[in-house]
Amino acid sequence: DAGITQSPRHKVTETGTPVTLRCHQTENHRYMYWYRQDPGHGLRLIHYSYGVKDTDKGEVSDGYSVSRSKTEDFLLTLESATSSQTSVYFCAISEKGQGHQPQHFGDGTRLSIL
Amino acid sequence: AQKITQTQPGMFVQEKEAVTLDCTYDTSDPSYGLFWYKQPSSGEMIFLIYQGSYDQQNATEGRYSLNFQKARKSANLVISASQLGDSAMYFCAMKGDSGAGSYQLTFGKGTKLSVIP
Repeated sequence: DAGITQSPRHKVTETGTPVTLRCHQTENHRYMYWYRQDPGHGLRLIHYSYGVKDTDKGEVSDGYSVSRSKTEDFLLTLESATSSQTSVYFCAISEKGQGHQPQHFGDGTRLSIL
Repeated sequence: AQKITQTQPGMFVQEKEAVTLDCTYDTSDPSYGLFWYKQPSSGEMIFLIYQGSYDQQNATEGRYSLNFQKARKSANLVISASQLGDSAMYFCAMKGDSGAGSYQLTFGKGTKLSVIP
């Protein structure tokens, strides 16, 4: 299994509070991704990183920011959480960005915004 | 833009039988990859199998095979000899080779497979 650890695994918080999710990998892969999974939508890309301090927006980036100060860590921040951001968040990694390499996923973080 | 369609919200299969999960896709990319992932009730996403758009042969991985029909834009997953542990959600996904979407996996909405003893 790919060495990907997401923390926390579960979190309940209130609307308007800041939330940071962490993804840690031990594979030394260059590319890291944050997706969210909602019923009826499959997974959708929020942001991705193609190197330390190099990030870009995905399909559903509004309300989220990311940071990558080390190869192994990719942080997702909700500056002011809203109920619409209640979701399951998955981190993924890959050696290459473009091309046909599969992305390997962490176990997910279940986030509830009350 | 890329799109994945999985038309079967739920499927049932008898243990030890084979089952086909449907996936159709749409893309303007000349080169792309197709992927299947399994999500058990425990929630993790497990990569199963990959097919490249220029691959001549259908991909196989153990009991999983991908029935790729490029002209029909379909990439169906075939699971042979179903086991109780195959009960899960299955997602079809794709990724192009160029442009803004080339880093993003585009997922379908999934098919829930239930294996009956």
